[in-house]
Amino acid sequence: GQQVKQSSPSLTVQEGGISILNCDYENDMFDYFAWYKKYPDNSPTLLISVRSNVDKREDGRLTVFLNKSGKHFSLHITASQPEDTAVYLCAAGLNQGGSAKLIFGEGTKLTVSS
Amino acid sequence: DMKVTQMPRYLIKRMGENVLLECGQDMSHETMYWYRQDPGLGLQLIYISYDVDSNSEGDIPKGYRVSRKKREHFSLILDSAKTNQTSVYFCASSPGTGLSAETLYFGSGTRLTVL
Repeated sequence: GQQVKQSSPSLTVQEGGISILNCDYENDMFDYFAWYKKYPDNSPTLLISVRSNVDKREDGRLTVFLNKSGKHFSLHITASQPEDTAVYLCAAGLNQGGSAKLIFGEGTKLTVSS
Repeated sequence: DMKVTQMPRYLIKRMGENVLLECGQDMSHETMYWYRQDPGLGLQLIYISYDVDSNSEGDIPKGYRVSRKKREHFSLILDSAKTNQTSVYFCASSPGTGLSAETLYFGSGTRLTVL
């Protein structure tokens, strides 16, 4: 089964609105959670990450919320802009001596319409 | 400039042929990865390498093998390619230490078509 799941394959948000991307995971041993952004025909790049000892992390317009009891984490993008249009991949993993074997979700295609 | 380089960018092979995908990184990262990306499935981990000659299967290793003889190079080999191995293959590396230990740096991908 899919260990990390993004149930929404696509999401459309109006420019200026809040984009909320969700991710569920199965393994409660995971201790590292991340969001990657991918443009078509480009490689994924890290947006933001958290370790399991925090519930929330903010970085500019991005906020990650981690709900360990619900095995769920989300990415909130405030003041969404057309340039935010991309595929967003969530990832979870277990840190093993500094190397995390990351498991990725299927991706959510975000479209920000102007 | 920190970089993960994949070669080739595009590749077309016939079923049964051998395929070699190469990956290099100039950041002295210990850990390197091979993923494949298919529509609706996201990135699936094929193999992970923790250092030279220290490789471990990922979630979908069947039909693939890897080679890491130098820290900066990690190769993915398909012996007798199959049509269901048509995919986009991404190589990545991670520092393994420090605040950003787990951050994956990806190459630009290799689009492999097996006819």
